Amino acid sequence: GAVVSQHPSWVICKSGTSVKIECRSLDFQATTMFWYRQFPKQSLMLMATSNEGSKATYEQGVEKDKFLINHASLTLSTLTVTSAHPEDSSFYICSARDRSLGGNTEAFFGQGTRLTVV
Amino acid sequence: QKEVEQDPGPLSVPEGAIVSLNCTYSNSAFQYFMWYRQYSRKGPELLMYTYSSGNKEDGRFTAQVDKSSKYISLFIRDSQPSDSATYLCAMTSNTGNQFYFGTGTSLTVIP
Repeated sequence: GAVVSQHPSWVICKSGTSVKIECRSLDFQATTMFWYRQFPKQSLMLMATSNEGSKATYEQGVEKDKFLINHASLTLSTLTVTSAHPEDSSFYICSARDRSLGGNTEAFFGQGTRLTVV
Repeated sequence: QKEVEQDPGPLSVPEGAIVSLNCTYSNSAFQYFMWYRQYSRKGPELLMYTYSSGNKEDGRFTAQVDKSSKYISLFIRDSQPSDSATYLCAMTSNTGNQFYFGTGTSLTVIP
């Protein structure tokens, strides 16, 4: 299956600093990318959806100024957690789809990034 | 009502057992159905992907979709300890951009 690479896999940062997480599709062009947050023993919570060439669409309750998403190219999306606080500590996962093929397609996930804010 | 309902478990079975995992949904527009496996501290891995109703088999895994009942299943035959993980169902419509996930079912296969 298609490969989505997410980096870093884990990061520890100090409160008040910013952290950037990268999501790359390695063997296909990701026309749509999703960013999720997952708390322990819970399912994925969609944070935002980004289509290449347009601004991200954020879900209700997600602060777009805090969670900056940039779909920089057809193979790269970044999530920047700005002015991180301990409550931002979580597991962040990206996924990507190649909708340029037409119709609907499955989504492939990155390995996830565990963020700990101290 | 949630878009997708999934029993979180936990489910514990002996090695070799047949495992049945299920999800129900409420949106009749859903056409694409997926099952993901997620190991602890890892991203979800796509297991099965089906379109509309019917069955799909891949090795020890069989996915079933019953659109009339809005019910999907994943069967695991001859379960192995390495199958121990959380299994997430997901679905979307023909034109939809967003995926809707179940809460995941935690499975433990005991040697």
